[in-house]
Order: sequence, then structure tokens, then C-alpha cells
Amino acid sequence: QKEVEQNSGPLSVPEGAIASLNCTYSDRGSQSFFWYRQYSGKSPELIMSIYSNGDKEDGRFTAQLNKASQYVSLLIRDSQPSDSATYLCAVNKSGGYQKVTFGTGTKLQVIP
Amino acid sequence: GAVVSQHPSRVICKSGTSVKIECRSLDFQATTMFWYRQFPKQSLMLMATSNEGSKATYEQGVEKDKFLINHASLTLSTLTVTSAHPEDSSFYICSVNLPKRGGTDTQYFGPGTRLTVL
Repeated sequence: QKEVEQNSGPLSVPEGAIASLNCTYSDRGSQSFFWYRQYSGKSPELIMSIYSNGDKEDGRFTAQLNKASQYVSLLIRDSQPSDSATYLCAVNKSGGYQKVTFGTGTKLQVIP
Repeated sequence: GAVVSQHPSRVICKSGTSVKIECRSLDFQATTMFWYRQFPKQSLMLMATSNEGSKATYEQGVEKDKFLINHASLTLSTLTVTSAHPEDSSFYICSVNLPKRGGTDTQYFGPGTRLTVL
């Protein structure tokens, strides 16, 4: 079982729709969760971080965390073509442990 | 603004030569930096953890004699690909942990270095 699992996609959504990206993780000791966006040929860019159960909203982005289910998701409202990218889920055990484990990423395509 | 810089952004070299890539943390001190490699259409692969003032910690399967890491200061880590071969052609990305209030670190990436070995 992979430590961090994501559906590779591509996930295609029409412009203006809600894109839902999902991620599961295997280590129950994980405490910090991140979503990165990576455009083709570029390095990852931090979008959201979440540490406690529930929802965290930042503009059009909402991160959702459910530690009991070991599940974290990212919702993108009013999707735009510029949101088309690969989204990486990352998990950190925290507690002073600095290494982050990345999922393989989900490719999102927003169709105009 | 940018948290991490990398240089060069792109390098093309002949097989057998060595290439040095620099990673700098901007406006803060980083005791730990990470080096990743990403092949086309694949995920990030952690190569090693660079520790200031001590030896780097390499991931399983990464040759420490081929990928030399030096973290001589709190703002600079270098990755040297020695005797590069075409199969070393990849996108090399460094990252640093930016400490946040409450003890939770967040990892920020440099812009990456595209290495092409002919």
C-alpha cells in the first residue's frame, strides 16, 4: 500500500464547475497535510495546508480533512482553465519530523 | 515572494561531465533542505535530505557518490551530479522547510533545474 494515494486522472471538469480532488494516506500518525499545484515543467507551488479535522477555506479552494478515515480532499470552486495542472497531496508526520511524503498527483483539466 | 532560489534553471552538458546545482533559501536560515528528482510525467522522488554542517541523508537507491550534496551554510545547499549520463537527465528540485508558529513546518520548493545530458 502506498503511503499517499491519489487517482492519477485526468479529471476533466467544465469551466465554472467544482473540481474535487481526493487523497488517502496510510500512516495514522500523520499530522500535517498539504496540497501543491504543479504546472507542466514547473516546480510545485503550495496551495493549501490543513492540520485539523474539518474544512479550511482559502478563496476558491477548500481543503477537507478526515483523520478517522485517513482522507484529505481539495475542492476548487468556479474552476478556471488556469487551474489545469497536476495537484499533489503531501503528508507530514510532524512532531519535528520534517520529511514530507508526496502522492503521485492528480491531473486536472478544466475545459473552457 | 520567492522563498527558495535555484541556479541554474537549465543546463545542458556532455556525458561524463559534472554539474553543480545551487539551492538558496531567501531571507531565512534553513538547517535542512531536500533534493528531489522528477522524470517526465512521473511524481517527485526524494533523493536526499541535506543537513547543514553534517552529511546528507540519502534515500534508498540513490548513489551518494554520484549525487554529492554539500550544505555548508544555513542558506546554501549544492547538489553535484558527477560523471553525468543521459539517464541522469531530469528535473531537479530543492525544497526547504519554513517553520511556522505552533511547530508545524511547511515545505516550499525552488523553481527547479532542468538537466539534459547529451
